[in-house]
Amino acid sequence: ETGVTQSPTHLIKTRGQQVTLRCSSQSGHNTVSWYQQALGQGPQFIFQYYREEENGRGNFPPRFSGLQFPNYSSELNVNALELDDSALYLCASSPPRGQEDTEAFFGQGTRLTVV
Amino acid sequence: GQNIDQPTEMTATEGAIVQINCTYQTSGFNGLFWYQQHAGEAPTFLSYNVLDGLEEKGRFSSFLSRSKGYSYLLLKELQMKDSASYLCAVRVHASGGSYIPTFGRGTSLIVHP
Repeated sequence: ETGVTQSPTHLIKTRGQQVTLRCSSQSGHNTVSWYQQALGQGPQFIFQYYREEENGRGNFPPRFSGLQFPNYSSELNVNALELDDSALYLCASSPPRGQEDTEAFFGQGTRLTVV
Repeated sequence: GQNIDQPTEMTATEGAIVQINCTYQTSGFNGLFWYQQHAGEAPTFLSYNVLDGLEEKGRFSSFLSRSKGYSYLLLKELQMKDSASYLCAVRVHASGGSYIPTFGRGTSLIVHP
């Protein structure tokens, strides 16, 4: 098991609501990336946080936002939920710069269902 | 943008060898990863290639050719538990100094007796 923990593991929300997903990173990892994985698809990059700032963003609308805290844990916020937001949301923590030959560790994911 | 292509599904027999190919078109290449993902679970790391050649790790090996934009994952002595999705991910050096892994759609491998 990795040291990356996500909460909650499962969540059901209604269209139009807002949701916050949480992730604690692997010890020693200061970079956190968030991914959305629809059923039968590969993970799609949402954004990455490094030193509490957004450091790269994929093709997702502004209603997807995030935060990183001084202890490197992170939150993903999604406003105005849509049915298509139903997916597995994965958090991955990566080691500091200069250690790029090591892999990112994934959390177990949060399964979000929008009804 | 990045483009990563891998077969959608493959089947193989227990005890056999299977090769899963991945081709990519990208700029700022900074390494290629293979992950295994069982249904409903998080991806787990299998291998990392940044230089051309073959990396062997037990029953799994991964090959990279940067000039061809090509990689493969080789699984030997297949076991039933190897039935999973195999994700090819290319890491690129993006603006702002970030390193962003971009994933393919994954190859669903079915191992049958």
